Amino acid sequence: AQSVTQPDIHITVSEGASLELRCNYSYGATPYLFWYVQSPGQGLQLLLKYFSGDTLVQGIKGFEAEFKRSQSSFNLRKPSVHWSDAAEYFCAVYTGKLIFGQGTTLQVKP
Amino acid sequence: KAGVTQTPRYLIKTRGQQVTLSCSPISGHRSVSWYQQTPGQGLQFLFEYFSETQRNKGNFPGRFSGRQFSNSRSEMNVSTLELGDSALYLCASSLGTTSGNTIYFGEGSWLTVV
Repeated sequence: AQSVTQPDIHITVSEGASLELRCNYSYGATPYLFWYVQSPGQGLQLLLKYFSGDTLVQGIKGFEAEFKRSQSSFNLRKPSVHWSDAAEYFCAVYTGKLIFGQGTTLQVKP
Repeated sequence: KAGVTQTPRYLIKTRGQQVTLSCSPISGHRSVSWYQQTPGQGLQFLFEYFSETQRNKGNFPGRFSGRQFSNSRSEMNVSTLELGDSALYLCASSLGTTSGNTIYFGEGSWLTVV
């Protein structure tokens, strides 16, 4: 079955520290992968996407993600977290529709 | 370029009533999809419309329906509302021409059923 797993429900990092949010997907075909961010009471903002080509993709707000086919993973990273990055992050795979993970809530300590 | 616009942003309805939510996609986008977001079930796909035709449907009861107009604007309707229909309803738009099209979301419509 097609699915997306975000193993970490909640992550807390200190401002200025690096960040990695994990995402694993299950999909038999070539995956089209997305990361979205949602601030409280808001919709989903696209951070980045992977369709093909270079497995390291750059997104907005200094985020990047690396696609690893052998591990069925698409982890999101940021070298230095800012307080404004506190939000909920969703990984998704497109299968004719978007299938989302359960989300990871990021808390940033001052 | 305007983004995906959803109206109304907030609404409160009573059990048994019906509700209609509206979505205007990004200009030039012909695909509109709807998703329901709840704390318990997360983000779930409702349906997708492309060029006025439903192209894909999720696993929701028939009380949930939608349509798309010739200008690509879409509406979704929920009839006979239940308490469990309280959720954030998100509309997404894309060109819809290939699987690789980028999908953009609106701010959502918050529905509370009392």
